[in-house]
Amino acid sequence: DAGVIQSPRHEVTEMGQEVTLRCKPISGHNSLFWYRQTMMRGLELLIYFNNNVPIDDSGMPEDRFSAKMPNASFSTLKIQPSEPRDSAVYFCASRPQYNEQFFGPGTRLTVL
Amino acid sequence: QQQVKQSPQSLIVQKGGISIINCAYENTAFDYFPWYQQFPGKGPALLIAIRPDVSEKKEGRFTISFNKSAKQFSLHIMDSQPGDSATYFCAASLTGNQFYFGTGTSLTVIP
Repeated sequence: DAGVIQSPRHEVTEMGQEVTLRCKPISGHNSLFWYRQTMMRGLELLIYFNNNVPIDDSGMPEDRFSAKMPNASFSTLKIQPSEPRDSAVYFCASRPQYNEQFFGPGTRLTVL
Repeated sequence: QQQVKQSPQSLIVQKGGISIINCAYENTAFDYFPWYQQFPGKGPALLIAIRPDVSEKKEGRFTISFNKSAKQFSLHIMDSQPGDSATYFCAASLTGNQFYFGTGTSLTVIP
């Protein structure tokens, strides 16, 4: 099992550019979570999906952030336009049943 | 308002010693309390978890102690090893969907 796969692992972009982060959950997992990790705020849940349907996006900081899950094996988190304060490590996690979630390796985003 | 408060922020322990990390939560409806271990450049990985109907859970050198009345839980790492050096996060969950994380504890085990 390859685990949760995220791409890219590192992204450096300029302010105002669109950024798309990608996640492939573990096969068979029916829930997917997007988190953001910063030194100041720690690990924050942005949004989660159950069976490809967004359930709670209250953690999405602004309308500049959007997430989609078109099928059970793929999700994207998009930031448009990006700002320097969006710089963080973004994690995707998936879950097979209740409670236990498996995290991907993360995408380190730097917005200049 | 922070739902889960974690302390200390950093911890240095001698090899063979006991590492103790504490967390406190607000919402009495939380029903799942996991601990995650994170190494640099990696995502958090589930270490051990407990439900509020038990007061203690032990897996190898790792033990969670849970005090429901005080709304506190802690992670104990016995016989700490240099390989345990990592950042540890506690979390609390409601129905397994909404997870609230502590701010993390950076553990360094000195050989």
